[in-house]
Amino acid sequence: DGGITQSPKYLFRKEGQNVTLSCEQNLNHDAMYWYRQDPGQGLRLIYYSQIVNDFQKGDIAEGYSVSREKKESFPLTVTSAQKNPTAFYLCASSIGQGPYGYTFGSGTRLTVV
Amino acid sequence: AQSVAQPEDQVNVAEGNPLTVKCTYSVSGNPYLFWYVQYPNRGLQFLLKYITGDNLVKGSYGFEAEFNKSQTSFHLKKPSALVSDSALYFCAVSPDSSYKLIFGSGTRLLVRP
Repeated sequence: DGGITQSPKYLFRKEGQNVTLSCEQNLNHDAMYWYRQDPGQGLRLIYYSQIVNDFQKGDIAEGYSVSREKKESFPLTVTSAQKNPTAFYLCASSIGQGPYGYTFGSGTRLTVV
Repeated sequence: AQSVAQPEDQVNVAEGNPLTVKCTYSVSGNPYLFWYVQYPNRGLQFLLKYITGDNLVKGSYGFEAEFNKSQTSFHLKKPSALVSDSALYFCAVSPDSSYKLIFGSGTRLLVRP
């Protein structure tokens, strides 16, 4: 079955460490997105990519980095510059422009210890 | 500015009663409108969407939504709530020719037995 796989489901990071969250899709979707969700809050866009080897900053890109070397993959690195990284991270993909909506992964919960 | 508003942080309803979760939007052009549901520690699941045509859209799990262009609203409804409907609901809008979805802040639905 086609879908989006995020791994790991739970991730613990020490202060000052960089960590990378994986997002892989086999839907042949062009566009991919990373969102951050804090308790009791909505979704905030971190980065998005419309095509391979191209990506744009979202609303809260500081302290994060991404790459899009393959259509299927859009990993997110949470760097040590992100001062408050504890959150639930959601990856999504879409066919592209138009009325298609998103397909979401099941999320990664990152906790700083 | 383009935006989506979900004016209620939480909606409480008794099982078997009808439910409504409100959503209003502000975008230029003709919007595509979506509802998603999120269960604890999970990604968002698609419920339904409005593209064009009939203003009443039917979706998954017995949910429906009514598009009202004059009031710029897209309220989610269900005739008879179930305890299992308790979750976090997000309204989203995709403006014309846009890759990105704009999400509301979410409404927590609590259905009591």
